[in-house]
Amino acid sequence: GAGVSQTPSNKVTEKGKYVELRCDPISGHTALYWYRQSLGQGPEFLIYFQGTGAADDSGLPNDRFFAVRPEGSVSTLKIQRTERGDSAVYLCASSPDYKDVLTFGAGSRLTVL
Amino acid sequence: EDQVTQSPEALRLQEGESSSLNCSYTVSGLRGLFWYRQDPGKGPEFLFTLYSAGEEKEKERLKATLTKKESFLHITAPKPEDSATYLCAVRGAGGTSYGKLTFGQGTILTVHP
Repeated sequence: GAGVSQTPSNKVTEKGKYVELRCDPISGHTALYWYRQSLGQGPEFLIYFQGTGAADDSGLPNDRFFAVRPEGSVSTLKIQRTERGDSAVYLCASSPDYKDVLTFGAGSRLTVL
Repeated sequence: EDQVTQSPEALRLQEGESSSLNCSYTVSGLRGLFWYRQDPGKGPEFLFTLYSAGEEKEKERLKATLTKKESFLHITAPKPEDSATYLCAVRGAGGTSYGKLTFGQGTILTVHP
């Protein structure tokens, strides 16, 4: 597609529920990144994929967070047993290669009640 | 660990009043310093990449400069449509990942007519 697409744009869930956030990168981009942005803060790195494999998952805060990219294109960020502190905007970005400029999507706003 | 600090946190200008935003960084082997613009409810939008001290880039009313410790984003004769959050990020060569960007917390710029 023309840009990075993220769905849903808005997700409200209850504490303890499971959530999936989807990212559809720009066609042909091999690198894909997930960031989390809290109100008034800059984006915080979570994980990045080069192709199908996670090249760096050092930013995932704990084992409730997991991300996959099985075919090297679409990626899903999965959050188990959500907590109120998980509320944030989750941004996805892609780039042609890991050395290139990142293009961001509009984000998925997650609210945990 | 790569670190980025931006100042000021917020800046209010009158239309036409030029000013500068600061980005101080520490990084193990700079592989690029990036400036992004972010409008409310949207993802960051790429502005510039700088790679070496002394490098400068310009786009309309914006000019980015780089030294070994900091970068400045100069805004000349700003207009209300320049109002946004400006984010600075670095890509380092340290660790196992060359891909990820480390962001600062951003500077919120408001330009009054």
